[in-house]
Amino acid sequence: KQEVTQIPAALSVPEGENLVLNCSFTDSAIYNLQWFRQDPGKGLTSLLLIQSSQREQTSGRLNASLDKSSGRSTLYIAASQPGDSATYLCGNAGGTSYGKLTFGQGTILTVHP
Amino acid sequence: DGGITQSPKYLFRKEGQNVTLSCEQNLNHDAMYWYRQDPGQGLRLIYYSQIVNDFQKGDIAEGYSVSREKKESFPLTVTSAQKNPTAFYLCASSTIAGTEQFFGPGTRLTVL
Repeated sequence: KQEVTQIPAALSVPEGENLVLNCSFTDSAIYNLQWFRQDPGKGLTSLLLIQSSQREQTSGRLNASLDKSSGRSTLYIAASQPGDSATYLCGNAGGTSYGKLTFGQGTILTVHP
Repeated sequence: DGGITQSPKYLFRKEGQNVTLSCEQNLNHDAMYWYRQDPGQGLRLIYYSQIVNDFQKGDIAEGYSVSREKKESFPLTVTSAQKNPTAFYLCASSTIAGTEQFFGPGTRLTVL
């Protein structure tokens, strides 16, 4: 059974810092991995999707990488801003799961001015 | 605007009652999903549907039921058999199973 872990559980940084969020998974036979942002009391906003055949994806200040052999994905946020404060979740679609996502518990990010 | 709508935003249920949460999408997506989120935890899959008139149980389907009679609609019924239904419920869709998933705004269900 696929298990997904996100480290750290919470992170507080000053504005302008570059930071890395980690997502590890137990089964390397994945179909894709998706990173999301969730604001308090809201739904999830898709940030980046990495297909199994890809190693990284970039969107603006965000870069996500995937290393299936080590069971890890990282989300890199450059030049963080207070507006980046949110919970970040990674969801892993296993190799035979037909799109079912297994989620980590999330990283709560606070960027202070 | 294209997107996923969920209603109501807040729902209160008395013990022993069944309630139905609505999920509608106008993205022309074939696949739809229901997840449950508890405080401080990630999401867990309740049910999913890859196509109209077909759906499968997820990891925590006990006490829930769904239907998929129309492509754009995937309602979730929380039955009285669900022992701990208080949670945040999220609906998602994707073009086909296995592609990027998009989420609705959620329904917060509280059992009184």
